[in-house]
Amino acid sequence: ETGVTQTPRHLVMGMTNKKSLKCEQHLGHNAMYWYKQSAKKPLELMFVYSLEERVENNSVPSRFSPECPNSSHLFLHLHTLQPEDSALYLCASSQSTGGQGVQDTQYFGPGTRLTVL
Amino acid sequence: LAKTTQPISMDSYEGQEVNITCSHNNIATNDYITWYQQFPSQGPRFIIQGYKTKVTNEVASLFIPADRKSSTLSLPRVSLSDTAVYYCLVGDMRDNDMRFGAGTRLTVKP
Repeated sequence: ETGVTQTPRHLVMGMTNKKSLKCEQHLGHNAMYWYKQSAKKPLELMFVYSLEERVENNSVPSRFSPECPNSSHLFLHLHTLQPEDSALYLCASSQSTGGQGVQDTQYFGPGTRLTVL
Repeated sequence: LAKTTQPISMDSYEGQEVNITCSHNNIATNDYITWYQQFPSQGPRFIIQGYKTKVTNEVASLFIPADRKSSTLSLPRVSLSDTAVYYCLVGDMRDNDMRFGAGTRLTVKP
């Protein structure tokens, strides 16, 4: 138990569906992240939020839409996904995004295993 | 340009000490070095962080030479449960180059 929860743990959706992934952190952190991990590929950082403000978007397709209503919650809204979007989606949080070379420890949730049919 | 370089995979046996080296030739003066461990279908977990010389905690040791162009994660007396992917990261999340790379897949055999 890392203090970061994700729901659902598994999701199967068609290409025309709209769904949302939810992440909640109970650690009092100010930064939250979405990562994508495809089979046999490195973790890909998708979005970074600091104090509810998006500070980074790594050229992620618009069919992925993040939302951070407060510092404890992070959503990833999905629509018209492709089969290649099937992956493990991980949420993480940290005290801050760090600075001056120091990385605050990231705490990861268990992930949502997404399958797009 | 990748900021860190690690071996893709390593094998070891139970009870042995494992050393995983990460190269980071372009490390900046202020950058810290952080290591994470990831088991299948789980998120990475922080192991250790250091800036120079040696850092030790209850899980591992981190050795950093004076030039800081590399670092070595040392796992004492590994067990089967240490089979995982180990990632070396340099810098902080404000650095666009700070990313999880491919990591090193450690397999511990009986």
